[in-house]
Amino acid sequence: GAVVSQHPSWVICKSGTSVKIECRSLDFQATTMFWYRQFPKQSLMLMATSNEGSKATYEQGVEKDKFLINHASLTLSTLTVTSAHPEDSSFYICSASFPAHGEKLFFGSGTQLSVL
Amino acid sequence: DAKTTQPTSMDCAEGRAANLPCNHSTISGNEYVYWYRQIHSQGPQYIIHGLKNNETNEMASLIITEDRKSSTLILPHATLRDTAVYYCIVRVNTNAGKSTFGDGTTLTVKP
Repeated sequence: GAVVSQHPSWVICKSGTSVKIECRSLDFQATTMFWYRQFPKQSLMLMATSNEGSKATYEQGVEKDKFLINHASLTLSTLTVTSAHPEDSSFYICSASFPAHGEKLFFGSGTQLSVL
Repeated sequence: DAKTTQPTSMDCAEGRAANLPCNHSTISGNEYVYWYRQIHSQGPQYIIHGLKNNETNEMASLIITEDRKSSTLILPHATLRDTAVYYCIVRVNTNAGKSTFGDGTTLTVKP
C-alpha cells in the first residue's frame, strides 16, 4: 500500500522557537494532504488541508499564521509551528489519500512535539 | 457526516475473535463505514470499509446490518499486537481528509 513518511518522530524545543515537520508521500503523488493534532487521551482533530500549489485550508479555530503549511510539491507537505509555546505540545499527524487507493487515508507515523 | 457511537473500551483474550460494535443510526444512503486503528504513539492505520455488503480482507471482517444503522468489526484471531484504539467513521466517499474521528474503542488483548 501507499506509504506516508513523517519526520521527525519527536522534537523538543524551547519556547519561542519554530519547528518544521515534514510529510512525504513515497509511492504516489498527493495533491492533497491533511494535518491533525492529537492531545493525550483525545482523538485526532483535523487542523488543515494542504493543497499542492495553493494555500492551505484551515479548520475553524486553527491559527493559520501560527501553523504554516507549505505544499510545494506533489510529494511533500510541511507544517511549521511558529513561535511555539508549551500549549502547542502535542502529537501532530499527517495523512494523504490517493486515487489509486480510493478514499482510504494513509497516515504518517506522527511527530511528538514538546515545547519547554 | 453521520455520528457514530462506540463503547469506550473492550477486552479480548489472545487468539479469540474480537468483535467491535459501532452504532450509526443516522447514516445516509451514500455514506460508507470506515474503520481505522491507532496503536499507541503511532499514526492511524486503515483497516477496512464498506457500504452495505459485508467485507473481508487480510486484517478483518466488517459486518453491516441490513438497515445499515450499525456495524461490527471482527478481528478473527486477536493478538497482543492488535491492542489499539479502533475508530469507526461514517462518511461519503469523497474528501477523505474530512473524516471525523470520535473517541473510538480501546481494545486490550490479554494473554
